[in-house]
Amino acid sequence: ETGVTQSPTHLIKTRGQQVTLRCSSQSGHNTVSWYQQALGQGPQFIFQYYREEENGRGNFPPRFSGLQFPNYSSELNVNALELDDSALYLCASSAGGRGGPGETQYFGPGTRLLVL
Amino acid sequence: AQTVTQSQPEMSVQEAETVTLSCTYDTSESNYYLFWYKQPPSRQMILVIRQEAYKQQNATENRFSVNFQKAAKSFSLKISDSQLGDTAMYFCAFMTNSNSGYALNFGKGTSLLVTP
Repeated sequence: ETGVTQSPTHLIKTRGQQVTLRCSSQSGHNTVSWYQQALGQGPQFIFQYYREEENGRGNFPPRFSGLQFPNYSSELNVNALELDDSALYLCASSAGGRGGPGETQYFGPGTRLLVL
Repeated sequence: AQTVTQSQPEMSVQEAETVTLSCTYDTSESNYYLFWYKQPPSRQMILVIRQEAYKQQNATENRFSVNFQKAAKSFSLKISDSQLGDTAMYFCAFMTNSNSGYALNFGKGTSLLVTP
């Protein structure tokens, strides 16, 4: 069974650029959630996708957007990068209906984004 | 607002000893789930243990157990027979259905150091 994978591992961008981060969910999982973890903080929920539709969103501006594909892999896109976007971006997948409150989320290793 | 508070930023324990990490949370929901995740320096978030709020019995996973006090909204983690590999950041989190979907709400974490 393959776990959650993310690419790239590290990324350096400059302010104003756009970035796409990728996540492959664990086999059998149909829900993907994205989190932003600033240095020294706990992860903050960005949004969640279930069967290719957005299922919920945290307190992040519209320049944070996402996609989920038929194979349940997912992308996180961030436009007009700001210095404060520098963080570890974590993807988590879960099984069952809409990643409900009973469903454990399994995390990938994350993508470290640095915005200069 | 739903919040998670971990009041111990850092803790240290000797190998083979027992340590307890504290967590309190605040939610008005009656149906929710509680989790402890571990994030080693390698940064991959790993599930340690989970607890359903409707269950009175405290969850146990090998050396890890919780003390769930629903009325006090407290969810502490006890690690018995601590091992060097337990060194990591530990995050307490809860999940409930909200307008933001089934998102994990994390505390700021407790850094645990296990010493020889």
